[in-house]
Amino acid sequence: AQSVTQLGSHVSVSEGALVLLRCNYSSSVPPYLFWYVQYPNQGLQLLLKYTTGATLVKGINGFEAEFKKSETSFHLTKPSAHMSDAAEYFCAVSGRGGSEKLVFGKGMKLTVNP
Amino acid sequence: DAGVIQSPRHEVTEMGQEVTLRCKPISGHNSLFWYRQTMMRGLELLIYFNNNVPIDDSGMPEDRFSAKMPNASFSTLKIQPSEPRDSAVYFCASTLRLAGDTQYFGPGTRLTVL
Repeated sequence: AQSVTQLGSHVSVSEGALVLLRCNYSSSVPPYLFWYVQYPNQGLQLLLKYTTGATLVKGINGFEAEFKKSETSFHLTKPSAHMSDAAEYFCAVSGRGGSEKLVFGKGMKLTVNP
Repeated sequence: DAGVIQSPRHEVTEMGQEVTLRCKPISGHNSLFWYRQTMMRGLELLIYFNNNVPIDDSGMPEDRFSAKMPNASFSTLKIQPSEPRDSAVYFCASTLRLAGDTQYFGPGTRLTVL
């Protein structure tokens, strides 16, 4: 079975500062890994995903994440935060079987201060 | 191209009443998911379907909850009778395939049970 750990529930950064949101996963098989973002009063939307190939994945809005198998991590980063990045971010994992479901972490609320 | 459509967007009802939430997945998508989101429990997967067949309903809280997918373009989540603790945002999501594909979320239905 797969699981995801996002330590903490809230991160606050200044505009222009580095954004780092941590995600560690547990999986008995090579996983698929995802980051989703949820803006207030909206559904979740995909930021980026790792399925195969290059371990550094680039997503929308300047975000990227690196799959590190040895550390079972898939941390999300953005070099310079923008006010519009304020949202909740969810890491998710699934196995590679035909009927695997997506398992989400608890989410991390990002606040960007001017 | 239309995304996942959910109705109603907001529902306020009294305890004991029947509530029906509706979802129209993206055309051509084969898998559909129902999630519930609350502050206390985060994002929970309730049930998911593949090719209109329920695959995993282990997340359905109790017998008061039921879900159907009579065809590829429509699904319902019913709560009967409703209770105040069912108050939450309910999301529907769809994907082309289960493993590795992006899940596309609807805007959600905010349910308040008085």
